[in-house]
Amino acid sequence: RKEVEQDPGPFNVPEGATVAFNCTYSNSASQSFFWYRQDCRKEPKLLMSVYSSGNEDGRFTAQLNRASQYISLLIRDSKLSDSATYLCVVNLNTGFQKLVFGTGTRLLVSP
Amino acid sequence: EADIYQTPRYLVIGTGKKITLECSQTMGHDKMYWYQQDPGMELHLIHYSYGVNSTEKGDLSSESTVSRIRTEHFPLTLESARPSHTSQYLCASGGFGTDTQYFGPGTRLTVL
Repeated sequence: RKEVEQDPGPFNVPEGATVAFNCTYSNSASQSFFWYRQDCRKEPKLLMSVYSSGNEDGRFTAQLNRASQYISLLIRDSKLSDSATYLCVVNLNTGFQKLVFGTGTRLLVSP
Repeated sequence: EADIYQTPRYLVIGTGKKITLECSQTMGHDKMYWYQQDPGMELHLIHYSYGVNSTEKGDLSSESTVSRIRTEHFPLTLESARPSHTSQYLCASGGFGTDTQYFGPGTRLTVL
């Protein structure tokens, strides 16, 4: 089983739609969680950290469910510019800040 | 916005050549990382460093080597490039007390 698993997609949604991605992780000792965004042939960029209480940044909401070992990302009012691959990232808490990256979920927002 | 730089951005080179991929950051971060990413695939950690004179191998076995003589600089070297080394190489850094990582723009390497 992979340490971080995501549905690769693609998720095809129209502009204005709400879309949600889930990600599961295998190590119950994981402490830190992130969503990164990666555009085609570009570097990953931090979208948001995911806190136990959940957090929101504009149209983006991240949630953590420790009991079920998954994190989610909700995007409201999708824009064309949201088209990208969204990477779920988990810190395995192995003593060094080692992050494990999921393969990513591809989102395509169409007019 | 993170200040982390990689050169060259693109490199096409013949088999057997020695190459060095440069990575520099101006944020004073103690932790630096090298990842390898093939198209459509996940990032794999190949090297990391806690600080000056500290380097460790990552999860993905790599024939490359790294050095950390200065805090801001973390070059990666391939002594003899092969077609199997064709990939994107991403450098990242992170500050003390945080596990957030910031990425450079990457070097896209093609070995013929």
